Amino acid sequence: GQNIDQPTEMTATEGAIVQINCTYQTSGFNGLFWYQQHAGEAPTFLSYNVLDGLEEKGRFSSFLSRSKGYSYLLLKELQMKDSASYLCAVVGGSYIPTFGRGTSLIVHP
Amino acid sequence: DAGVTQSPTHLIKTRGQQVTLRCSPKSGHDTVSWYQQALGQGPQFIFQYYEEEERQRGNFPDRFSGHQFPNYSSELNVNALLLGDSALYLCASRPYGGTEAFFGQGTRLTVV
Repeated sequence: GQNIDQPTEMTATEGAIVQINCTYQTSGFNGLFWYQQHAGEAPTFLSYNVLDGLEEKGRFSSFLSRSKGYSYLLLKELQMKDSASYLCAVVGGSYIPTFGRGTSLIVHP
Repeated sequence: DAGVTQSPTHLIKTRGQQVTLRCSPKSGHDTVSWYQQALGQGPQFIFQYYEEEERQRGNFPDRFSGHQFPNYSSELNVNALLLGDSALYLCASRPYGGTEAFFGQGTRLTVV
């Protein structure tokens, strides 16, 4: 089976940088996704990592270490609209994606 | 491009009834997955369809079944509804072999 752990809630200030961590245990590994989900809306794709290292996309970056079973999502220059739930999802050997419970990020002025 | 569309957006059913939810994938996408998302939880994978066949299945009972049509649209059927089936049901589509899945807005099912 798979186990994914991420913090339940984080708060940060507008303009700051925040790092959301995700640790996982899985049988086999075929990639890790980060999704953003605003309340009452569908999840939207942010990033996909399958190899170790940092992937940068604008204000968002995602890092993966397969040996440590660890990933993080880095959000820079935070804006109020970044307040949302951030979902970490791992695709294991069975190719079935498993989502974490999500991290609720609250950005305040 | 309309993206992934789901219907209905909201639904209220009585315990023991049956429900059918519908999903039209994004144009060019042939692989459709269904997820159940309880309040405050991440989405849980139900199953995935490709070429009109169920290809992968998560840990859900046989009360949950599905279908994919030749135009790639899909249905999720749930029989003998339980109160615990109340959740947001999400459909996601992608091209076969693609990594980025696009989600629909979901169907909010309430079982009373």
